[in-house]
Amino acid sequence: QLQLQESGPGLVKPSETLSLTCTVSGGSISSSRYYWGWLRQPPGKGLEWIASIYHTGSTYHNPSLESRITMSVDTSKNQFSVKLSSVTAADTAVYYCARHFRDGATVTTGINWFDFWGQGTLVTVSS
Amino acid sequence: DIQMTQSPSSLSASVGDRVTITCRASQSISNYLNWYQQKPGKAPKVLIYAASSLQSGVPSRFRGSGSETDFTLTINNVQPEDFATYFCQQSSRRPLTFGGGTKVEIK
Repeated sequence: QLQLQESGPGLVKPSETLSLTCTVSGGSISSSRYYWGWLRQPPGKGLEWIASIYHTGSTYHNPSLESRITMSVDTSKNQFSVKLSSVTAADTAVYYCARHFRDGATVTTGINWFDFWGQGTLVTVSS
Repeated sequence: DIQMTQSPSSLSASVGDRVTITCRASQSISNYLNWYQQKPGKAPKVLIYAASSLQSGVPSRFRGSGSETDFTLTINNVQPEDFATYFCQQSSRRPLTFGGGTKVEIK
């Protein structure tokens, strides 16, 4: 069974960079059918898509966060990662990694959805 | 960005009821609409993709319908494990966006 597990610091200071890694087990991150995504959910609020990455490194970002996001993938470790720079209190959220299934050429238009999720990790931005 | 508006934001239902949740997109998204269920402290779980296709392993009492801008998630014969928050999500255009959620509570 596919499993995803987020890891990274639970507390980040304002203006610093938030770094998270997702480790995939029970399946290969290099599968051609999937992208791999990050999403977040501020406490008590709704969901926001951050970005998704293919095993080749091809990435789609949420334009509202694009200038602050760096995505990477390490196929040898079956991991992918996100860095979010210049964080503020508004970036406090539960961060989820997820497998992003696509039924077409891309994951930002057409039939695609998040079919497996990690358990989520709370990241608090505070001094 | 495409705005996704869900209604109601919360509702109460009894076991065995039929529950209907609606999701409206701010512009046409064809059938590029997914539904997720989230329980407290847990990650979301996909129920329906492409507006009406049931994800493998999801009970058939969940049904999705709609196209263009108006979509519906129906839960027939609501079971105790169905009390949760439900989100819609459009996959038509970047950025992918979610509705604000509908909390289904026990009456």
